[in-house]
Amino acid sequence: SQQGEEDPQALSIQEGENATMNCSYKTSINNLQWYRQNSGRGLVHLILIRSNEREKHSGRLRVTLDTSKKSSSLLITASRAADTASYFCAPLTHNNNDMRFGAGTRLTVKP
Amino acid sequence: DTEVTQTPKHLVMGMTNKKSLKCEQHMGHRAMYWYKQKAKKPPELMFVYSYEKLSINESVPSRFSPECPNSSLLNLHLHALQPEDSALYLCASSQVREAETQYFGPGTRLLVL
Repeated sequence: SQQGEEDPQALSIQEGENATMNCSYKTSINNLQWYRQNSGRGLVHLILIRSNEREKHSGRLRVTLDTSKKSSSLLITASRAADTASYFCAPLTHNNNDMRFGAGTRLTVKP
Repeated sequence: DTEVTQTPKHLVMGMTNKKSLKCEQHMGHRAMYWYKQKAKKPPELMFVYSYEKLSINESVPSRFSPECPNSSLLNLHLHALQPEDSALYLCASSQVREAETQYFGPGTRLLVL
């Protein structure tokens, strides 16, 4: 599978604000996933969006996918200090889920 | 049980030591993974096991030796490591290699002196 590239590399916001991070990839995909990693911990799967979907919601998370632009965005609404983490996207192209991560977006939510 | 466990949580070893990292899951998953993560960097895929067989070795040096003795257990044997091998080692599993979601353990933080 290919590597996604997240943007921005770092994002700092106040609690209650929305956070938007983006992911770009190079070739067509089957699906794209977002993972979160709290400092020094394992990754947690957040949400998966398939190539035939344009938008998906899960709680305070909203993910969009634009296959024509080969990009995805993750919106976290009403952010909390506990959302402070690194966020990685994983675009999957083949019939396996071997993931190669980009640098990620480091989100800091200030109380 | 929807958890991947890793032991030990922390490990300090000398360059001449031999140690092993252990990963366990009881979700019936048949694909298991090792990742290496240096500070402030993304996880890098090291090895993939599918049905207890090694499917991918991402050109990892032979001082890292993976082993999958059964479908629930994944080991990473370490020998003659270098200080630059100090990192967080993450294990993950998925239902099968074609499954969409991986479940990660909390990692083992390794320091090589």
